[in-house]
Amino acid sequence: DIQMTQSPSSLSASVGDRVTITCRASQDISNYLAWFQQRPGKAPKSLIFAASTLQSRVPSKFSGSGSGTDFTLTISSLQPEDFATYYCQQYYSYPLTFGGGTKVEIK
Amino acid sequence: QVQLVESGGGVVQPGRSLRLSCTASGFTFSTYAMHWVRQAPGKGLEWVAAISYDGSNKNYADSVKGRFTISRDTPKNMLYLQMNSLRAEDMAVYYCARVGDSSSWRSDLQHWGQGSLVTVSS
Repeated sequence: DIQMTQSPSSLSASVGDRVTITCRASQDISNYLAWFQQRPGKAPKSLIFAASTLQSRVPSKFSGSGSGTDFTLTISSLQPEDFATYYCQQYYSYPLTFGGGTKVEIK
Repeated sequence: QVQLVESGGGVVQPGRSLRLSCTASGFTFSTYAMHWVRQAPGKGLEWVAAISYDGSNKNYADSVKGRFTISRDTPKNMLYLQMNSLRAEDMAVYYCARVGDSSSWRSDLQHWGQGSLVTVSS
């Protein structure tokens, strides 16, 4: 199985801050990497697929990069609605696997 | 618009069975692979199972293999998860999800339902 390691597991940031979350795969997954946002009590929402392609209607403050084993999600200017937990997920091979999540909290 | 609505969750005793359903609408169900993903209380996301657009291919997490069965009824636009021999560690919110790319077995999970809670307790 491919292990997905996210860091940090949590972070505190202020409105307006630029935030970067990293995700590392235990083997090469090319660009078969997705990012999700999950607010408390809600279903996950797809933000990015193919490592860097924004889903429709996802604001451009979100961006993704990387290929192979190392990936990043960047939020350019945090807004109150962005405080949530973020997950990466590989869909290169089965079983599909998720990172452990990064909780973004208000400082 | 794409809608996925799970149902069938509830409280069940360890060792018993439960079937979850997912009603799909707003897209051509017969052309998309579908998945189940779960989330235990306070924990992260765990992929459970996948089924191809035509039902010919299925994949399962090791944690549920042999106990859970994914299936679909295309004329009814329904996805199912039959869960047998339930354990305490199966307690979770279960989400159904649709892939983004109808032409590939290797595709992201673009659309998600709101989830259905399964509680395993005696």
